[in-house]
Amino acid sequence: KQEVTQIPAALSVPEGENLVLNCSFTDSAIYNLQWFRQDPGKGLTSLLLIQSSQREQTSGRLNASLDKSSGRSTLYIAASQPGDSATYLCAVADNAGNMLTFGGGTRLMVKP
Amino acid sequence: DTGVSQNPRHKITKRGQNVTFRCDPISEHNRLYWYRQTLGQGPEFLTYFQNEAQLEKSRLLSDRFSAERPKGSFSTLEIQRTEQGDSAMYLCASSLTGGFSSPLHFGNGTRLTVT
Repeated sequence: KQEVTQIPAALSVPEGENLVLNCSFTDSAIYNLQWFRQDPGKGLTSLLLIQSSQREQTSGRLNASLDKSSGRSTLYIAASQPGDSATYLCAVADNAGNMLTFGGGTRLMVKP
Repeated sequence: DTGVSQNPRHKITKRGQNVTFRCDPISEHNRLYWYRQTLGQGPEFLTYFQNEAQLEKSRLLSDRFSAERPKGSFSTLEIQRTEQGDSAMYLCASSLTGGFSSPLHFGNGTRLTVT
């Protein structure tokens, strides 16, 4: 059974810092990996999707990397802003692409 | 594209009562997923539909839970004889195709509180 772990569970940084969120998974036979953002009381918004054959994806100040063999992914946020404050979740799709397994999330607070 | 719509946003019910939630996916999306999320945790998969066919159900979906997607459009999730442990946010998501290669769009969820 796939297990996804995110470290740290919570992170507080001053505005402008670059930061890295970590995600690890136990079964490397994945279809793809996604990073989502969730604001309090809201649904999830997809940020980046990395196919199993890819190593990284970039969108604006966000960069996600994938090392499938070691079961790790990182989300790098450059020049953090207070508006980045949210919970960030990673999720891996099983090999058939039918089920997403989520990590517990990292709750990020960026202080002005 | 009006997004994924879930109703109601909040539901408070007494233990033992039945509740039903509705999800309206983005109109042309074939895949529809239900997830449950408790406070401080990531969403847990419950079930998914390809059009009107329910293709997979998690072991979390006990006999008290049933989901339908008649005509492959909106979906309902019913919980019978609710228990306090059912208190959670129930999230619906839809996508154009399977495989999670097309973006997954989530609704804002229905928060259930069982007293």
